[in-house]
Amino acid sequence: ETGVTQTPRHLVMGMTNKKSLKCEQHLGHNAMYWYKQSAKKPLELMFVYSLEERVENNSVPSRFSPECPNSSHLFLHLHTLQPEDSALYLCASSQGQGWGNTIYFGEGSWLTVV
Amino acid sequence: GENVEQHPSTLSVQEGDSAVIKCTYSDSASNYFPWYKQELGKRPQLIIDIRSNVGEKKDQRIAVTLNKTAKHFSLHITETQPEDSAVYFCAAFTDYKLSFGAGTTVTVRA
Repeated sequence: ETGVTQTPRHLVMGMTNKKSLKCEQHLGHNAMYWYKQSAKKPLELMFVYSLEERVENNSVPSRFSPECPNSSHLFLHLHTLQPEDSALYLCASSQGQGWGNTIYFGEGSWLTVV
Repeated sequence: GENVEQHPSTLSVQEGDSAVIKCTYSDSASNYFPWYKQELGKRPQLIIDIRSNVGEKKDQRIAVTLNKTAKHFSLHITETQPEDSAVYFCAAFTDYKLSFGAGTTVTVRA
């Protein structure tokens, strides 16, 4: 299944580094999302883009910067992260943003901040 | 915002027995409730969902029930098999957002 692909799958970065996570969806969807998954915690919605416009920024620190150049691609730019930012970052997409639209997840990018 | 509570956090069942996971939500405006399964090292995948105008839905060994009055919904897995071992997440949709529970780790013992 290659509906939503994320790269890299694993990333280790220092607190002063700048890196980016990439997501691509091949489903023709109009909405894309970034979620953070930490152990024993609910999936946390970070950002929502609908038709390339950011429609949700869930009080995410500015050290996380999303970019959606078109409806198929989504990036998460990372800079000066903290160790507590270590987590699995999941990209997802859906046909629309309304209720009942199934959200399809990518495999995730495991981020470790050292 | 919506708050989704999920219980239990871990569940161990004998193969062939049933497993039940319960979730409660806080926002009465929530109208769509999907369940996701995440196997170790893999992405969460939708396994079943229910809309607010339906009380129960079944798909082979999986069923979901919804009680809008009490604001809770449950996942039932019957005749559990080893491949049912995974983390299960409930979610509630409101205000153009899906809010997830913390997940239930289900282990099916052979």
